[in-house]
Amino acid sequence: AQSVTQLGSHVSVSEGALVLLRCNYSSSVPPYLFWYVQYPNQGLQLLLKYTSAATLVKGINGFEAEFKKSETSFHLTKPSAHMSDAAEYFCAVRTAGGTSYGKLTFGQGTILTVHP
Amino acid sequence: SAVISQKPSRDICQRGTSLTIQCQVDSQVTMMFWYRQQPGQSLTLIATANQGSEATYESGFVIDKFPISRPNLTFSTLTVSNMSPEDSSIYLCSVDVSMIAGVRNEQYFGPGTRLTVT
Repeated sequence: AQSVTQLGSHVSVSEGALVLLRCNYSSSVPPYLFWYVQYPNQGLQLLLKYTSAATLVKGINGFEAEFKKSETSFHLTKPSAHMSDAAEYFCAVRTAGGTSYGKLTFGQGTILTVHP
Repeated sequence: SAVISQKPSRDICQRGTSLTIQCQVDSQVTMMFWYRQQPGQSLTLIATANQGSEATYESGFVIDKFPISRPNLTFSTLTVSNMSPEDSSIYLCSVDVSMIAGVRNEQYFGPGTRLTVT
C-alpha cells in the first residue's frame, strides 16, 4: 500500500519569502509523485511530477520539488512567494501497476497563505 | 494536456434523490477516474471508469450508491443515488493522458461538481 503525508495543514509566508511545503511518501515500489494546486472553487491543476528521471523537478509558476529516496520525501519549494500562490496544495503518489494502475493517493493538503 | 468539462458545476439536491454528473474530455483517453472531496478534506478515489465494462470501485464505495457509465473514450457519468447530507462534496472527474503523444504519467482533473444535499 502507498500513502502520502503532508506536514502542516497550514503554512503562512510573507510575499517574497521562501515557500516550503513538505511531503513524505510510503510506497513499496519506486513511486511516481505529483504536486497539484487547487485555487478556491476550482479543480486541481498539475504543478509538477516525478517519474524516475531527474530528482529535481521544475514545474509551473516557479515551483520545484526534489525527490529524495533516502528521506522518502518530495518537498515543494518556491524561492519567492507571490500573492497569487495562495491556494491549497496536494501531494500525491501514483500506483505504477497492478489492478489499481493509475490510481492517485493524495495527502491531506496544505493551505498556503501569503501575507503582503 | 486534455480539456475536461463537468456538468453541472454545482447543484443543491434534496435527500433521497439522485444526481447524475457528466464528464466530457476533448480527446480520447484510456483511463477516467471519479474522486470525491468532502468539505475541508483531501481527495478520495471512488472508482475507475472502464470503457465497455463495469467500473472498478475502491473500498467503501459500491455500485448501487455510485453507478458509473463509460460509453466511449471521451465521456463518463457518475450518479450519486439516494442522497443524504453526508454526500455533500465536490465530485471530480480525472483522466490519465498517457495515450497522448509526448505526455507520460499525467492525470488531469475537471473543474468539479459541488453538490449540497439538504
